[in-house]
Amino acid sequence: QQPVQSPQAVILREGEDAVINCSSSKALYSVHWYRQKHGEAPVFLMILLKGGEQKGHDKISASFNEKKQQSSLYLTASQLSYSGTYFCGTEEDSSYKLIFGSGTRLLVRP
Amino acid sequence: DTGVSQNPRHKITKRGQNVTFRCDPISEHNRLYWYRQTLGQGPEFLTYFQNEAQLEKSRLLSDRFSAERPKGSFSTLEIQRTEQGDSAMYLCAISFLAGGSGGELFFGEGSRLTVL
Repeated sequence: QQPVQSPQAVILREGEDAVINCSSSKALYSVHWYRQKHGEAPVFLMILLKGGEQKGHDKISASFNEKKQQSSLYLTASQLSYSGTYFCGTEEDSSYKLIFGSGTRLLVRP
Repeated sequence: DTGVSQNPRHKITKRGQNVTFRCDPISEHNRLYWYRQTLGQGPEFLTYFQNEAQLEKSRLLSDRFSAERPKGSFSTLEIQRTEQGDSAMYLCAISFLAGGSGGELFFGEGSRLTVL
């Protein structure tokens, strides 16, 4: 079951914040977040395991609400380098298989 | 360098022809995955291996698709009798964790297939 991401696209000014959401109808074991720039492979950002933890590095953090099967990615004080498409990938019951959402396109303008 | 090399990077073929893509993980790893990505969509799971064993194959994968991983090292993905709908980027990825969650995926640069 493919997770649903929202919004589909976001346009920001440099320094603004953004939140990208990911939800699933299935019980999840983990949620991954990846960023893909045009013409490049997806690059891993972070993984959240069930337990409702929150993670972050630099100005990018994420949370996972296990009860609601939802995860959110928080981008604060956005930089031009944050532009790209963000995908959440969900894993059900330690299946080792990631199912990706359709992505959220983020454009950060000067 | 993601530790995953894919060849060829680009392949243009005529409908009905067979194509094969190769994935060479440079580093030691635990699992190897194949995904397909079309424009504007997220990567779509095709199959994955743990060592030589193919542990899961997507129901979306028709009988025209086959993947192998001889000796648990490199992997090949073959598409027989290609159709225009097969046009996509084919991504190979590896992960390292041995238990629990699958761990982060390291993707190769992909092999882009265009079927005319």
